[in-house]
Amino acid sequence: AAGVIQSPRHLIKEKRETATLKCYPIPRHDTVYWYQQGPGQDPQFLISFYEKMQSDKGSIPDRFSAQQFSDYHSELNMSSLELGDSALYFCASSLVNEQFFGPGTRLTVL
Amino acid sequence: AQKITQTQPGMFVQEKEAVTLDCTYDTSDQSYGLFWYKQPSSGEMIFLIYQGSYDEQNATEGRYSLNFQKARKSANLVISASQLGDSAMYFCAMREGDAGGTSYGKLTFGQGTILTVHP
Repeated sequence: AAGVIQSPRHLIKEKRETATLKCYPIPRHDTVYWYQQGPGQDPQFLISFYEKMQSDKGSIPDRFSAQQFSDYHSELNMSSLELGDSALYFCASSLVNEQFFGPGTRLTVL
Repeated sequence: AQKITQTQPGMFVQEKEAVTLDCTYDTSDQSYGLFWYKQPSSGEMIFLIYQGSYDEQNATEGRYSLNFQKARKSANLVISASQLGDSAMYFCAMREGDAGGTSYGKLTFGQGTILTVHP
């Protein structure tokens, strides 16, 4: 069965650089979520999209933005990166009850 | 206030035995969903099981079952016949405002329980 695809899987950036994370949800899933998981932490909700419209917003810094495109893939754009942005970033998608996560993008900011 | 509480930072179990991972939750919503995920050391977040607040039967998925006690606001995960590959971090999560049959809503996670299975 198709799963959520995320790219890249690993990303290394310098402080103040920008990063773009991509997510391809499971086909026909109508909702996409982004979560951030810091080292030793539980995942924290950032933002979600339902049918390409932003549906909810969590503790997402103003330096971050996201969108969902007509083909339902989503991108998380992160600017002016800080050391504290180093984390595992998950995209998840859902259609009915279950929420399936992608493998994550591990971002390291040096 | 913490919405999801997992009181066991770590648990140990012998291979082939059953283990229960505790989870309590706090919500004023009548409709909500409860989830369990497994996160191995490789980092991926693997969906295990879902329980809706209006589901009368406890959810089961293979060796996983969810012991849902609504009045006590608990949603414990039971893993039967533990295997070495079950060693991982386990997260309990909740989606509030679960309007049965729709997917809408972010998850709030507990702090997790590290399960170690001994041979």
